Amino acid sequence: RKEVEQDPGPFNVPEGATVAFNCTYSNSASQSFFWYRQDCRKEPKLLMSVYSSGNEDGRFTAQLNRASQYISLLIRDSKLSDSATYLCVVPSINQFYFGTGTSLTVIP
Amino acid sequence: SAVISQKPSRDICQRGTSLTIQCQVDSQVTMMFWYRQQPGQSLTLIATANQGSEATYESGFVIDKFPISRPNLTFSTLTVSNMSPEDSSIYLCSVSGTGENYGYTFGSGTRLTVV
Repeated sequence: RKEVEQDPGPFNVPEGATVAFNCTYSNSASQSFFWYRQDCRKEPKLLMSVYSSGNEDGRFTAQLNRASQYISLLIRDSKLSDSATYLCVVPSINQFYFGTGTSLTVIP
Repeated sequence: SAVISQKPSRDICQRGTSLTIQCQVDSQVTMMFWYRQQPGQSLTLIATANQGSEATYESGFVIDKFPISRPNLTFSTLTVSNMSPEDSSIYLCSVSGTGENYGYTFGSGTRLTVV
């Protein structure tokens, strides 16, 4: 089983829609998790971190379900500028494991 | 968070040659990390660059192919040696943050094409 698994999408949603991505992880001992955003031909940038049950920042909500070993990212009121690839990241002892990313395109 | 300057941003190289990528951080950091992102793939850790000791390589990556230097706490280089088209990829350096949001910060990446 991979350390981190994501639905690659693509997700194509209209402006204003709510969209959610899920990510599952295999290491039950993981304590913290991250969502990164990667624009085309750019480096990944930290979007949100999740340490307890969840974290909210404006239109973005990250939730953690330790029992089922998954984290989710919810984007409300999608904007055109939200179009990007969203990477789920799970730290382990000596490195961060990156999911393959979920592609989101917000359509006018 | 740290600011990372990575160069070159892109290069097209002949097979059999080598390319050295530089990464400069605006603050002292203990560990720097080198990642590879192949087309359509996620990030794979190549090695962890430690100041004052040899880099620690992940499975599938060896020092002869990807020699790394770490002369001080703000600088590192990764060399891609004896390149082949399979080495065409984006190479990213990164450092870990501190405090509550200790996620990695990445350099802008080096887009390498080997022809």
